[in-house]
Order: sequence, then structure tokens, then C-alpha cells
Amino acid sequence: QKEVEQDPGPLSVPEGAIVSLNCTYSNSAFQYFMWYRQYSRKGPELLMYTYSSGNKEDGRFTAQVDKSSKYISLFIRDSQPSDSATYLCAPTRSSASKIIFGSGTRLSIRP
Amino acid sequence: DGGITQSPKYLFRKEGQNVTLSCEQNLNHDAMYWYRQDPGQGLRLIYYSQIVNDFQKGDIAEGYSVSREKKESFPLTVTSAQKNPTAFYLCASSRGQATNEKLFFGSGTQLSVL
Repeated sequence: QKEVEQDPGPLSVPEGAIVSLNCTYSNSAFQYFMWYRQYSRKGPELLMYTYSSGNKEDGRFTAQVDKSSKYISLFIRDSQPSDSATYLCAPTRSSASKIIFGSGTRLSIRP
Repeated sequence: DGGITQSPKYLFRKEGQNVTLSCEQNLNHDAMYWYRQDPGQGLRLIYYSQIVNDFQKGDIAEGYSVSREKKESFPLTVTSAQKNPTAFYLCASSRGQATNEKLFFGSGTQLSVL
């Protein structure tokens, strides 16, 4: 079993839809949960950062963590064509030797 | 503006040739990383350095080498021993060594084999 699993997509939705992107992980010691957004042929950039379980909202983006089921989600409301990108989840703990990234979900928002 | 600069953007390697990818940061970050990304796959760690003159192998270090002689520079050499080098290479840095630190990425180098 991979330590972090993420559906690669591609996921295509119409503009204005609510998007749900998900990851599962196996290491119960993970405490920090990050989502990176990567536009085509660019480096990833940090989009959301949460600690422990619960929700965190930032504009149209909401990150949700359920540590009991080892499941993390990123919701995008009122999706825009500019949200078309690959989204990588990265759960970790501070004492880990490295960050393990999910394989990324490619998202396309149709105008 | 502070950031990470990778060069070149595109690089072509002939068989048996070593090539070096440049990574420079002016963020005054201690830690630097090299990742490899293949189409439809996530980021795989090649090498990382937490301090000048020290670096550690990541998950796929075979066929690669690095140096960290200066805090701001972390070049990656793809040697002829790397038989499948075609990929998108990303350099990153973070303020500290902890893995919960935010990573700052460069814009990447696409390496292809002639």
C-alpha cells in the first residue's frame, strides 16, 4: 500500500461547479496536511496548509482533514477556468525525513 | 524579488553525456531539494540538503549527483549512469529542516534525451 494515495483524474467539470479532490494516507502519525497547486510546466505552489483534524477555509478553497479515517479533501467552490491545474496532497509530520506527495489530480474547468 | 531560479528551462542530453541543472535561491533558506516528476506521477525525491556541505540521498538517487558548496546553490548532475533521464526536474527550498515547512519551488527544467 502506498503511503499516500490520490486519484490521478483527469477530472473535468463545468465552470461554477463545486470540486472535491481527495487523498488517503496510511501513516497515523501525520499531523500536517498540505495541498499544492501546479500549473502545467510550472513548479508547485502551496495552496492550503492545515494542522490536525478539522476544516480550514481560504476564499473559495476549503481543506478538510479526517484523521480517524485518514482522509483529506480539498473543496473548490465556484470553480473558475483559472483553477485548471494539478493538485498534489502532501501529508507529513514535523519529524519525518521527507515529504511524501500524492501523485496529483489533474483538474480541468470547462468555460 | 526573492525566489528560486532554475536553468535552463529545457535541456537535451546525448547518450553517455553528463549534464548539470542549475538551482539558485535568494530566500536565505537552509534546506534545498531536487525532485523528479514523470508524466501523470507525483514528485519523487532525488537528493536533499539541510545545510551547506551536507546532503542526503532521496528515494531515487542512483545516476544523479549533487553538491552544496554555497547556501544559495544546489546543482544537480544527471550522469550517464541514469538510463532514463527524460523527466521534469524541480528544485525546491524551505526555511528549515522540518518537513512541515512550506516548500518553495522553481519553475523546473525539462530534460530530454537526444
